[in-house]
Amino acid sequence: AQSVTQLDSQVPVFEEAPVELRCNYSSSVSVYLFWYVQYPNQGLQLLLKYLSGSTLVESINGFEAEFNKSQTSFHLRKPSVHISDTAEYFCAVSDYDRGGYNKLIFGAGTRLAVLP
Amino acid sequence: GAVVSQHPSWVICKSGTSVKIECRSLDFQATTMFWYRQFPKQSLMLMATSNEGSKATYEQGVEKDKFLINHASLTLSTLTVTSAHPEDSSFYICSLRLPGGNEQFFGPGTRLTVL
Repeated sequence: AQSVTQLDSQVPVFEEAPVELRCNYSSSVSVYLFWYVQYPNQGLQLLLKYLSGSTLVESINGFEAEFNKSQTSFHLRKPSVHISDTAEYFCAVSDYDRGGYNKLIFGAGTRLAVLP
Repeated sequence: GAVVSQHPSWVICKSGTSVKIECRSLDFQATTMFWYRQFPKQSLMLMATSNEGSKATYEQGVEKDKFLINHASLTLSTLTVTSAHPEDSSFYICSLRLPGGNEQFFGPGTRLTVL
């Protein structure tokens, strides 16, 4: 069975500092990888995704993630965080086969707390 | 992307009553919708996959007679929590996947509190 491991449950960081949120997955087949962000009492918003092609994917608000197949990782990074980035971040994986798309498996989440 | 709404956003009910939560796709027809539950400070756990016009597929450990799912149209799926108990209190989130798509679009969630 597929699984997703987010190694850090909480990451405190000062404003304008860089941050990395770690994500590792287990899968023996081709995968799609996603990062979602959740603000308090809200649903999830897609931050970025890897489907194929370039292993480095970027979001419009400065986040990026790199797909590393050999290390089965999809870590999320931002070079300079803002107070408004404070939220819960979820890494997710879905696999696909000849039958098509499979379900999403979520990691436990990482709470990013940006401090002034 | 698709816009997904949920109603209500917040509901409190007495133990033993049933609660219906609606999930609507506002701008696309969705053949597949998903229902998740999220306990405080935890991740999302998939409860079931809802397919329009057919029975939902429930994940292992989810009671299908307790969590009734109806996906009667391409824009609406409902989750009914029957005979709710305090342990059913949770944040329920729906999502949809567009035909041929590979990502899910999430609703804003419904917070259920059972007293």
